[in-house]
Amino acid sequence: LAKTTQPISMDSYEGQEVNITCSHNNIATNDYITWYQQFPSQGPRFIIQGYKTKVTNEVASLFIPADRKSSTLSLPRVSLSDTAVYYCLVGDGRGGGFKTIFGAGTRLFVKA
Amino acid sequence: DVKVTQSSRYLVKRTGEKVFLECVQDMDHENMFWYRQDPGLGLRLIYFSYDVKMKEKGDIPEGYSVSREKKERFSLILESASTNQTSMYLCASSLGGQDTYGYTFGSGTRLTVV
Repeated sequence: LAKTTQPISMDSYEGQEVNITCSHNNIATNDYITWYQQFPSQGPRFIIQGYKTKVTNEVASLFIPADRKSSTLSLPRVSLSDTAVYYCLVGDGRGGGFKTIFGAGTRLFVKA
Repeated sequence: DVKVTQSSRYLVKRTGEKVFLECVQDMDHENMFWYRQDPGLGLRLIYFSYDVKMKEKGDIPEGYSVSREKKERFSLILESASTNQTSMYLCASSLGGQDTYGYTFGSGTRLTVV
């Protein structure tokens, strides 16, 4: 099972770009990398998913180096409403072997 | 949008009670999951199901059971509630595993066992 390591917390200011890095040294060939966002008293929400290189959507970008042992979630121009916990997940979920591990996540606090 | 609905936002139960947490999804997803979330521990997988009547243990199944009689409904059962089961419980569903479209989570049920 690929375990992930993220910083426990990060602070930023409105309008800045925030990069959160996740380490997953024993990622398997079939594993994808997925990031979720969670606000207090809500379930996590899917942000972005990737396998290699770079993925971008309307919310974020995900950078994955060639060795895939880490990944970086990039949030452009954060606002106060981006204050949340961000989880990095690694897994393939195929067949009956769902054992996706959520770590403790990274608590991002955006200040005015 | 896919919707995952958990029957209660808040529950208070007594020690020893049998507790049912219900989860319904409306997008014909194959897979459903139950997690619990505790401060400092992140989300931990209790049970999951990849088909009707199929279930698999997650990382912390002790003290819990599940039922999936219909594709859209996945129930978590606390056979005899204990205070250490006080937690936030989150249900999720996915179409083809988290490598495809990711999980969709419900809003959670905050259970307090007294």
